[in-house]
Amino acid sequence: AQTVTQSQPEMSVQEAETVTLSCTYDTSENNYYLFWYKQPPSRQMILVIRQEAYKQQNATENRFSVNFQKAAKSFSLKISDSQLGDTAMYFCAFMKHEITQGAQKLVFGQGTRLTINP
Amino acid sequence: DGGITQSPKYLFRKEGQNVTLSCEQNLNHDAMYWYRQDPGQGLRLIYYSQIVNDFQKGDIAEGYSVSREKKESFPLTVTSAQKNPTAFYLCASRLYSKNIQYFGAGTRLSVL
Repeated sequence: AQTVTQSQPEMSVQEAETVTLSCTYDTSENNYYLFWYKQPPSRQMILVIRQEAYKQQNATENRFSVNFQKAAKSFSLKISDSQLGDTAMYFCAFMKHEITQGAQKLVFGQGTRLTINP
Repeated sequence: DGGITQSPKYLFRKEGQNVTLSCEQNLNHDAMYWYRQDPGQGLRLIYYSQIVNDFQKGDIAEGYSVSREKKESFPLTVTSAQKNPTAFYLCASRLYSKNIQYFGAGTRLSVL
């Protein structure tokens, strides 16, 4: 079974600073996907960024980028120029590649509560 | 607008009562999922469905039931057998061609 661990329950930074959220995972699979989801106070889960394990290049989405270290099973999220609207719970998630596509399930970490202070 | 609609936003259950949470999507997505979120924990999978009239148990299916009679609908029933139902419930759906799950806004269930 796969497990996802987020070792930072809470983090707090000043607006405009850069912050990095950590995530490690455990799997024996070679083909999988990794995600960061954001859950603001509204509790809507919003996809931030996705990484395919077979791609060596780290994914980026505007101010959000990841550092994917497959051998170390590490998948950290870097938020640059942080904004007040980035305040949210952030969840790291793992999805194993399944032959039966509908069976692809997300396994979530416990989350990191990020606060951006003005 | 296309999206995933969960209703109601808040729901209260009395002792011994079954309650049903609604999840509807107009994205023409194939697979649908139900997750439970407890404080201090990540989401855990309750049930999922790959196609109409088919569904599989997730990691914490005991005390829950689902149906998938239409592609766009995947209701979750919290039965009286679920002794600790208080949680936030999230529905998600996924298009087979994309390995991304999209989520609804959730339902908060509490016990009276």
